[in-house]
Amino acid sequence: EVQLVESGGGLVQPGGSLRLSCAASGFTFSDYFMDWVRQAPGKGLEWVGRVRNKGHSYTTEYAASVKGRFTISRDDLKNSLSLQMNSLKTEDTAVYYCTRPADSSASGDNWGQGTLVTVSS
Amino acid sequence: DIQMTQSPSAMSASVGDRVTITCRASQDISNYLAWFQQKPGKVPNRLIYKASSLQRGVPSRFSGSGSGTEFTLTISSLQPEDFATYYCLQHNSYPYTFGQGTKLEIK
Repeated sequence: EVQLVESGGGLVQPGGSLRLSCAASGFTFSDYFMDWVRQAPGKGLEWVGRVRNKGHSYTTEYAASVKGRFTISRDDLKNSLSLQMNSLKTEDTAVYYCTRPADSSASGDNWGQGTLVTVSS
Repeated sequence: DIQMTQSPSAMSASVGDRVTITCRASQDISNYLAWFQQKPGKVPNRLIYKASSLQRGVPSRFSGSGSGTEFTLTISSLQPEDFATYYCLQHNSYPYTFGQGTKLEIK
């Protein structure tokens, strides 16, 4: 069974930094692209970014709203995904989901339960 | 970035109704579109991929259609468990973008 478990959320002041982690199990983590998606309280879903697998040189993509401030990385030996968030803004307040996306695959995607990040003074 | 515009933003309907939600892309995305359902306090669940392919395990009352810039999600006969918020997602080009959501409520 695929499991994705996020950790690292909490309260941080504007301008501060936070690092989220996602522990993956139940599948060959190193084979897959991985995404972060967020959802502000009472709002819609926002795609944050992606890290590709080794076969695609671990390259990354980001939403315009976080580019230059957030960094996605992975550790295939530890089956772990990370999201380093710097220069945080109040509008970054959201639940952050780690996902194994499916894109055009029939296999289905998987989501963690999310971790809440609150940016407030 | 590609903008995804869903309509309506909210709607009310009755059990047994046929419901259609529309998603429009600001440029051609071929069929690289998925539909998700999200219930309160739950993570999103993918219903449709490649615009019209039904995810395994999803009831056949859900269907998707469209290509290019206009897409629809149809629920043929609403069931009580279908009252939720629905999102489209384009994955034709980066950054991926979701529609703003359609909240489906009980009339």
